[in-house]
Amino acid sequence: SYDLTQPPSVSVSPGQTASIICSGEIVDNKHASWYQQRPGQSPVLVIYQDTKRPSGIPERFSGSSSGNTATLTISGTQAMDEADYYCQAWATTTDVIFGGGTKLTVL
Amino acid sequence: QITLKESGPALVKSTQTLTLTCTFSGFSLTTYGVGVGWIRQPPGKALEWLALIYWDDDKRYRPSLKNRLTIAKDTSKNEVVLTMTKMDPVDTATYYCARPGTGTGAFDIWGQGTLVTVSS
Repeated sequence: SYDLTQPPSVSVSPGQTASIICSGEIVDNKHASWYQQRPGQSPVLVIYQDTKRPSGIPERFSGSSSGNTATLTISGTQAMDEADYYCQAWATTTDVIFGGGTKLTVL
Repeated sequence: QITLKESGPALVKSTQTLTLTCTFSGFSLTTYGVGVGWIRQPPGKALEWLALIYWDDDKRYRPSLKNRLTIAKDTSKNEVVLTMTKMDPVDTATYYCARPGTGTGAFDIWGQGTLVTVSS
């Protein structure tokens, strides 16, 4: 079955750039989306169709995709960006699939 | 304004059937391309997609749970109902309903979630 792999954790200093990678066969031909989930809250869409940002999402959030890898980049990371981040894509046989999530720590 | 809200029992016993309702507003499940999905999250774990239903009654299920899940819509009430049979303590999770954006492949609006605990 398909799978999306993310690093369990990423650490970044305030003001620096954080990158979170999502990899898997599915990513190569299907668009990736990214969600931010703060503790005790519902997920919030921050990137869709690999690179697009919903209205209201700060410009410091960006996405890219190349080959089997999608990347979420947070530039000028702020303390408020500390959260869990999930990638998501679609598969032919399993429809929707999520990555295992990455805990972003802003030190 | 688009909103979704989950409702259902907070506690179910092992082997019982869980029924959850997603009540939404701000959009219609009779509109071309519109769908509503269910996603769950066990405590401290990752998101897991469960099921989707579309405006044309197309239904999709997580393959590993397909035999236990049923999704249905009531367009007159703006509701989507998910039933899961043979509940087990491992099914303890927060259950979310969410709307996939038309043509985007992304869940752009989420409900607040409802925690369901399964007792043995």
